[in-house]
Amino acid sequence: GNSVTQMEGPVTLSEEAFLTINCTYTATGYPSLFWYVQYPGEGLQLLLKATKADDKGSNKGFEATYRKETTSFHLEKGSVQVSDSAVYFCALTAQGAQKLVFGQGTRLTINP
Amino acid sequence: NAGVMQNPRHLVRRRGQEARLRCSPMKGHSHVYWYRQLPEEGLKFMVYLQKENIIDESGMPKERFSAEFPKEGPSILRIQQVVRGDSAAYFCASSPSGTNNQPQHFGDGTRLSIL
Repeated sequence: GNSVTQMEGPVTLSEEAFLTINCTYTATGYPSLFWYVQYPGEGLQLLLKATKADDKGSNKGFEATYRKETTSFHLEKGSVQVSDSAVYFCALTAQGAQKLVFGQGTRLTINP
Repeated sequence: NAGVMQNPRHLVRRRGQEARLRCSPMKGHSHVYWYRQLPEEGLKFMVYLQKENIIDESGMPKERFSAEFPKEGPSILRIQQVVRGDSAAYFCASSPSGTNNQPQHFGDGTRLSIL
């Protein structure tokens, strides 16, 4: 079946540090890939997406590249801020399907 | 510029009661999805509906849970005879179409607590 595996958290970094959150997936065909962010007490917000191999999604300084050869979609940011503290979810929709399949989430805390 | 609206934000029920969760999709969106998030876990798909039709209910428990999305009004997720294990955050999402590359937009969720 389709699945997403994320780097286990929690992750704690200092402000301005470099961030990587690893995400790998298992899916047949060509899934679409997403990163969502969840702030405390809120719903999920779309952070970025990529719909085909080698696409790079980017938003608010975050980037992720769809790597078909390694079935990965790692999230990166060059310099994190305290306001980036949240839970990050990697997710996919399989080709021809609509439901999102989520990873378990990675809690990120940025200290000043 | 209303997003996905869910109500109530918090719902407390005693075991055996019924819980009704409502979701109004974004304007122009006719596809609705329900997900459940248990504490410290990711979201799990429950059901996908289009107006008046259930398209995929593969994630719905076989008993006590039902969902609808009538021609007029919000989508409703109903849980009958609630049990402690139903305590979770329930999120609704919507999209303008059912294609897999369209991002889903989420509401703020309903946090259900069972006493």
